[in-house]
Amino acid sequence: GAGVSQSPSNKVTEKGKDVELRCDPISGHTALYWYRQSLGQGLEFLIYFQGNSAPDKSGLPSDRFSAERTGGSVSTLTIQRTQQEDSAVYLCASSLDSGGYDTQYFGPGTRLTVL
Amino acid sequence: QQPVQSPQAVILREGEDAVINCSSSKALYSVHWYRQKHGEAPVFLMILLKGGEQKGHEKISASFNEKKQQSSLYLTASQLSYSGTYFCGTGPDSNYQLIWGAGTKLIIKP
Repeated sequence: GAGVSQSPSNKVTEKGKDVELRCDPISGHTALYWYRQSLGQGLEFLIYFQGNSAPDKSGLPSDRFSAERTGGSVSTLTIQRTQQEDSAVYLCASSLDSGGYDTQYFGPGTRLTVL
Repeated sequence: QQPVQSPQAVILREGEDAVINCSSSKALYSVHWYRQKHGEAPVFLMILLKGGEQKGHEKISASFNEKKQQSSLYLTASQLSYSGTYFCGTGPDSNYQLIWGAGTKLIIKP
């Protein structure tokens, strides 16, 4: 079946502009994660959605970052007033259930460049 | 707290073996191993669960020492395709999250 898809694959924006990144998880997966990966670095957790529960936003670096998940499926990560330090690859992952015990399937990522 | 991976990087000749370690300061309930090739998304390799259950690829082996709070990934007779950065994720924490290590970069030369 189809894997996790993300769009756009690349996004170049100017400092101060808002951006929206989209993630389409694997059908039937109840858990969805957003991560940020800076060049040569590991995975930085941003936010976690599990079913209809309130999302875990503990990883969001500032109030400029927000995310929503509509209908338990597609998710959008929004970054307002982008800064140069926001430049990174943003990865989305989904899992059948809670990712702590289940395989996470990653999308190809969105490379964000803030000029 | 982030698990510590070692070594940070390793260069091997094709056919040689490698061991990548992942150590945690917290009790481990699960360890996840992923490989990421340059410019690509991380790909699942293996999950090891407390109690001994493992799920993963046939050609990959790993150990999970609950007492020492560490896991090791064993890559035998390495192939060029094994090159990439290997990440371990440990957990889950109280928020059902995995805590990811910084990665081990593996380079396989012909």
